[in-house]
Amino acid sequence: QQPVQSPQAVILREGEDAVINCSSSKALYSVHWYRQKHGEAPVFLMILLKGGEQKGHDKISASFNEKKQQSSLYLTASQLSYSGTYFCGTAGGATNKLIFGTGTLLAVQP
Amino acid sequence: GAVVSQHPSWVICKSGTSVKIECRSLDFQATTMFWYRQFPKQSLMLMATSNEGSKATYEQGVEKDKFLINHASLTLSTLTVTSAHPEDSSFYICSARREADNEQFFGPGTRLTVL
Repeated sequence: QQPVQSPQAVILREGEDAVINCSSSKALYSVHWYRQKHGEAPVFLMILLKGGEQKGHDKISASFNEKKQQSSLYLTASQLSYSGTYFCGTAGGATNKLIFGTGTLLAVQP
Repeated sequence: GAVVSQHPSWVICKSGTSVKIECRSLDFQATTMFWYRQFPKQSLMLMATSNEGSKATYEQGVEKDKFLINHASLTLSTLTVTSAHPEDSSFYICSARREADNEQFFGPGTRLTVL
């Protein structure tokens, strides 16, 4: 089943923070985060593995709570380049295939 | 980072014709590749898992006789949309999984328009 993301869409001013949540009904082995610009393929942001992992790069970080089967992506001091649709991808089961979440549209305005 | 290419980038075809899309991992070998389809303003939906040297595994609701997948080598998977119809028009994206770290790398996508 497809992971559910919240919010569906968010509008920010440059410099503001945002949190995007991803929730799955199935047990997870890993969570992947991607950003997609209009008309382009998704771009990999980061992967989180089991065990309460947290990870970050520049001003984007993420956490993974395997017990709650949830992950959150944190965008700090947002920049115009952060605009796009963010997808979480959850992997689990024998095949470890990646199932994408419902997506969150993020628009950063000047 | 690892590179995955897709060819063609876009294709326009008439209803009833077949279209082949290629997905190549350029600097790593991929035992497993994935094919996704994305309609406007929607998420990527996994169509099938392509396994080198064996049959593809299709997701529920995806017609395997319509979407033929061949993964003949460790760097190439092909998706053939047979007897394409306008409702097959979509953005088709492949990804290749690098075994060393389980990371998936996406191709740039192929936009299919069926008239």
